[in-house]
Amino acid sequence: DSGVTQTPKHLITATGQRVTLRCSPRSGDLSVYWYQQSLDQGLQFLIQYYNGEERAKGNILERFSAQQFPDLHSELNLSSLELGDSALYFCASSVARGIQETQYFGPGTRLLVL
Amino acid sequence: GENVEQHPSTLSVQEGDSAVIKCTYSDSASNYFPWYKQELGKRPQLIIDIRSNVGEKKDQRIAVTLNKTAKHFSLHITETQPEDSAVYFCAAQSYSSASKIIFGSGTRLSIRP
Repeated sequence: DSGVTQTPKHLITATGQRVTLRCSPRSGDLSVYWYQQSLDQGLQFLIQYYNGEERAKGNILERFSAQQFPDLHSELNLSSLELGDSALYFCASSVARGIQETQYFGPGTRLLVL
Repeated sequence: GENVEQHPSTLSVQEGDSAVIKCTYSDSASNYFPWYKQELGKRPQLIIDIRSNVGEKKDQRIAVTLNKTAKHFSLHITETQPEDSAVYFCAAQSYSSASKIIFGSGTRLSIRP
């Protein structure tokens, strides 16, 4: 157990809908990262937040957005869902800004869009 | 843009033999190279990492080597065991990319009994 929690574990929804994924980092970690892993694919970095501020952006679609709250938990919002958005979404956390730091991954949220 | 290539995509070795996975990166400013292991249905977990001021690092049966001139790094697993079966991801990060980390596409390692 890495200490990073994600909810829900599984999510089934329909195309066009909007969902919110939640992540709580390890105690004391200030950075949260979001990744997308499609079936048999690698990890695609989406976005990083550090202490409430967006720090780095990867291949995140405009239909997706994220935020980090004062208690440091983070939410990833996915809207106008498409079939291709079906994937495993991981969040990870690290102690500080993320330079040369270990990232600890949560168990993931499996999203299925029908 | 930045890119990390990983080879091979699949690897099958006899139990007890060694396994080697190789990665190359494009951003010469990369200075941190972690390796993650992901077992089926589970989260990625860091198994070893190396920083650019070091050429080699070893932790029991696992070692990583880094060649900054050639921009490649490798994971070596010796005396492989069935529990080493998993997908392995390399990654590269550079300070200039605002801590963005780029992952390789993964290697599915199978250990034959």
